[in-house]
Amino acid sequence: TQLLEQSPQFLSIQEGENLTVYCNSSSVFSSLQWYRQEPGEGPVLLVTVVTGGEVKKLKRLTFQFGDARKDSSLHITAAQPGDTGLYLCAGVYGNKLVFGAGTILRVKS
Amino acid sequence: NAGVTQTPKFQVLKTGQSMTLQCAQDMNHEYMSWYRQDPGMGLRLIHYSVGAGITDQGEVPNGYNVSRSTTEDFPLRLLSAAPSQTSVYFCASSYAGTPGEKLFFGSGTQLSVL
Repeated sequence: TQLLEQSPQFLSIQEGENLTVYCNSSSVFSSLQWYRQEPGEGPVLLVTVVTGGEVKKLKRLTFQFGDARKDSSLHITAAQPGDTGLYLCAGVYGNKLVFGAGTILRVKS
Repeated sequence: NAGVTQTPKFQVLKTGQSMTLQCAQDMNHEYMSWYRQDPGMGLRLIHYSVGAGITDQGEVPNGYNVSRSTTEDFPLRLLSAAPSQTSVYFCASSYAGTPGEKLFFGSGTQLSVL
């Protein structure tokens, strides 16, 4: 059983569409990170959220940390083919960093 | 600006063979770690090190050894490869190893054990 559940597992959309991916847990995390991983490469950190209810924006990407710090979402506006990749969330639980299994996003042109 | 460098990129082993995955970083990071990535499982921590001469076990350490003789290098040794060790392996580093600190990942080693 994953401590962090990500949904959906796979998402295929057309260029220009909006999408949201989710990272959920029954546990409280002190902070949560989002990484993007492209094929054949390692994950790259996009953002870290720390405060419950926090919202951070990175160009067309909007990240939100739930008020209770048990969940997070990533919203992409007007997706582009360059957004294609595996999106991983990772939460700090105690003194450990726990990764979710990821959402594979494919944006078709 | 190399960052975290892993070699080899691909490796095929027979069951029972041993090998070493290499990892080097040039950012003077104290913390280095090894993860394996399997479909549907996320990244799982194998071993980590908070500085030269110090190593500790992660979530899935069985079948793997590590050492940290220098700040820059953190090799991962498979003692007797098993098909269950077929996976993609990532080395990652950070400045101090504080949970939630930014991790810098290498580009991975895809290992197949036949």
